[in-house]
Amino acid sequence: GAGVSQSPRYKVAKRGQDVALRCDPISGHVSLFWYQQALGQGPEFLTYFQNEAQLDKSGLPSDRFFAERPEGSVSTLKIQRTQQEDSAVYLCASSLGTGSSTDTQYFGPGTRLTVL
Amino acid sequence: KQEVTQIPAALSVPEGENLVLNCSFTDSAIYNLQWFRQDPGKGLTSLLLIQSSQREQTSGRLNASLDKSSGRSTLYIAASQPGDSATYLCAVPYYGNNRLAFGKGNQVVVIP
Repeated sequence: GAGVSQSPRYKVAKRGQDVALRCDPISGHVSLFWYQQALGQGPEFLTYFQNEAQLDKSGLPSDRFFAERPEGSVSTLKIQRTQQEDSAVYLCASSLGTGSSTDTQYFGPGTRLTVL
Repeated sequence: KQEVTQIPAALSVPEGENLVLNCSFTDSAIYNLQWFRQDPGKGLTSLLLIQSSQREQTSGRLNASLDKSSGRSTLYIAASQPGDSATYLCAVPYYGNNRLAFGKGNQVVVIP
């Protein structure tokens, strides 16, 4: 596709439910990132993949958060037993993954998660 | 960890005035610095990327400068228009060139 796409765009969950958020990166992009953006804040890094390998998950706030990218393309961020503090916009980004100083991350529109 | 600060948090200007948005970061060992635009309910759009070896980068009415040694960048938007109303985010990579650390943003309103 032309850009990064995410689905669903909006998700409402009751506290305790599990949710799955999907990200389709730009075709051919090796690196994929997940960020969490709380209201009025800048995005915060969650996790990073290079192809199917999850190289960094240091930003995941708890073991309720799990991300995967099994075939090195589409990625899913899963949150188990959602809590109200999980309410945020979840942004996915992808990049060529060259590691050069011009390697730009391209962001999707985000999924707005509201936990009631 | 890299800390990024953006000042002012919010500003309103009349149409036609120039905008000056400031960003500071704590660790000067960066690969690059990016400015993004975010419209309400939307994702981030990359505006400018300045490599660590560059002092500035220009695109149309936008000009971004980088002073790596002092940990500062400034985004200038000339002759502001109502369509420039948005939140502008500054971001720098840390621990290599993958994770981005963001500021909280400058929320801009251009009054017609």
